[in-house]
Formats: sequence, C-alpha cells, structure tokens
Amino acid sequence: AQSVTQPDIHITVSEGASLELRCNYSYGATPYLFWYVQSPGQGLQLLLKYFSGDTLVQGIKGFEAEFKRSQSSFNLRKPSVHWSDAAEYFCAVGRPGDYKLSFGAGTTVTVRA
Amino acid sequence: DADVTQTPRNRITKTGKRIMLECSQTKGHDRMYWYRQDPGLGLRLIYYSFDVKDINKGEISDGYSVSRQAQAKFSLSLESAIPNQTALYFCATSDLRTGTGELFFGEGSRLTVL
Repeated sequence: AQSVTQPDIHITVSEGASLELRCNYSYGATPYLFWYVQSPGQGLQLLLKYFSGDTLVQGIKGFEAEFKRSQSSFNLRKPSVHWSDAAEYFCAVGRPGDYKLSFGAGTTVTVRA
Repeated sequence: DADVTQTPRNRITKTGKRIMLECSQTKGHDRMYWYRQDPGLGLRLIYYSFDVKDINKGEISDGYSVSRQAQAKFSLSLESAIPNQTALYFCATSDLRTGTGELFFGEGSRLTVL
C-alpha cells in the first residue's frame, strides 16, 4: 500500500514571504498525487493534482507543486503568502486503478503579519 | 448548495449511544467514502462504496458500519459510541469516469462522545 509523509507539522511564515510544504510518498510506480487545503471549520478543497506529464503543476490560489520521481516528493510552493493562506494542508497519494487515497498527517500553516 | 452534504454538522452524544451520520451528494458520482480526521493523524479511511451493492472496509472500520441507501446516499453508523470515536468525520465522493480517485469532500461532521 502507498503511504505519505509530511515532515513538517507546523510552519509559521510572514505575510508576503514564500512558502514550501514538503510531501514524500512511498509507492513503487508513478502515483496520482494531490494537495488539499482545509481552512478552519471547512471541508477539504483541492489545490492541485498530478497524474502524468509536466512535473510542475499549477493549482488554485497561486499554488504550484513539483513532482520529483527521484526523490519521491511532491512539494507544494507559493511565492508570496497571504493571510488567507493560514490553514491545514494535506498531501494525498493514490494508485492508478485503486480509487482510494492515502493522506499525510497534515501541515498547519500560520501566517503572521 | 453544497454538492456533498453531511448531516449533522455537529453532534454531542454519550458513551453507548447509537449515532448515524448521513451523507448525500448531487454530483452523480458512484463512489462514496467515509474518512475520519484526528489531529496529527490526517485522514483515515473508514469505509468506502463503489456502488449501491458494494461496501468495503477501510483501514479503521472497527466500531463502525455503513449503509448505501442509494447512489446518492451513504450513511455511517456508530452502534455504541465510545469517547475515542470523538473526531471530525468527512464524507467524500469520486467519479469512476476520471479513474483518478480525486475526492470531493463534504464540510464535515464533528462528533463528540462524552
């Protein structure tokens, strides 16, 4: 079965600074990869996804992520964070044809003024 | 209106009580899931259903049961609630036609068992 590790439990970043959230997965072949965001009191919203092709994917709200097969990573980045980016972020991995996702433990992002 | 609707959104109950969380969807997806979220553990899969006649256990199904009443409805039951089932529960759907497993979530049901 696939697994996902998000090494950072909590990250604090200043408004306007860049943000990078790490995600490492364990799976033998190329997985389907996702980043979801959960704002306080809300459900999970898809930020971006990777299935195949270009390894740099663009998502909503100015986020991007890069798939690196050699490092089994799918890190999320944003060049300049806004206070509204304060949330919990989850990386998820799925196997083609399996239709079940495994989630990381999540990274909480705090944005300071 | 939300595409995936969960009721109730919040529930406080006592140990030993039977609880049902309901989920309905208007997305027309055939696949439905129940996940549980706990701080520091992310989301863990409780049960999933690929169609009305198909029910499958996830990684943490003990203490839970489900019913797929129709393509659009998937309910989760706790027959005898216990305090360590206090958590945030999410229903999700996915579309067989995409083949990717991308999930669409409801807004969650927060359950507290005293």
